[in-house]
Amino acid sequence: DSGVTQTPKHLITATGQRVTLRCSPRSGDLSVYWYQQSLDQGLQFLIQYYNGEERAKGNILERFSAQQFPDLHSELNLSSLELGDSALYFCASSVAGFHNEQFFGPGTRLTVL
Amino acid sequence: ILNVEQSPQSLHVQEGDSTNFTCSFPSSNFYALHWYRWETAKSPEALFVMTLNGDEKKKGRISATLNTKEGYSYLYIKGSQPEDSATYLCALSGNTPLVFGKGTRLSVIA
Repeated sequence: DSGVTQTPKHLITATGQRVTLRCSPRSGDLSVYWYQQSLDQGLQFLIQYYNGEERAKGNILERFSAQQFPDLHSELNLSSLELGDSALYFCASSVAGFHNEQFFGPGTRLTVL
Repeated sequence: ILNVEQSPQSLHVQEGDSTNFTCSFPSSNFYALHWYRWETAKSPEALFVMTLNGDEKKKGRISATLNTKEGYSYLYIKGSQPEDSATYLCALSGNTPLVFGKGTRLSVIA
């Protein structure tokens, strides 16, 4: 158990819908990262928050947004969902920046029908 | 855009065999090289973070080396066991967040 929690574990929804994925980092970790794992793709970095502020952005679509709250939990919002958004979404946390060891949550599997 | 290459893509070994695989990366803009183990139906688990050229790290039967000048890292598993079966990912952090390779899938046959 990494200490990172993610909810829900599975999510099935329809195209055009909007969903929110939630992540609670390990106690003491200030950075939260979101990754997408699609079929035949490696882990793709989406976005990083550090202590409530956006720190780095990867290949995150404009339809996706994220935030980190004062209690350091984070939410990833995916809107106008398309079939191609079906993937495993991981949250990870680290003490500080991305050079530190990251601890991954169990992931949320999103299926868009 | 950083490109991290891992080879081989997959590997089958007998229990007790020792094995190794490679992670290649551009040597410029390097800060740290990470290795993760990802078991099926679980989430990636950090093995090592290495920053210095010539770094060697060890955890039990697993060890890793780093050559930043030529841009590669090796992961070694001594005396492979069935529980070592997993995908091993390397990831590079430079002036960007982690860029992951596609992994080496290891299957250890009892």
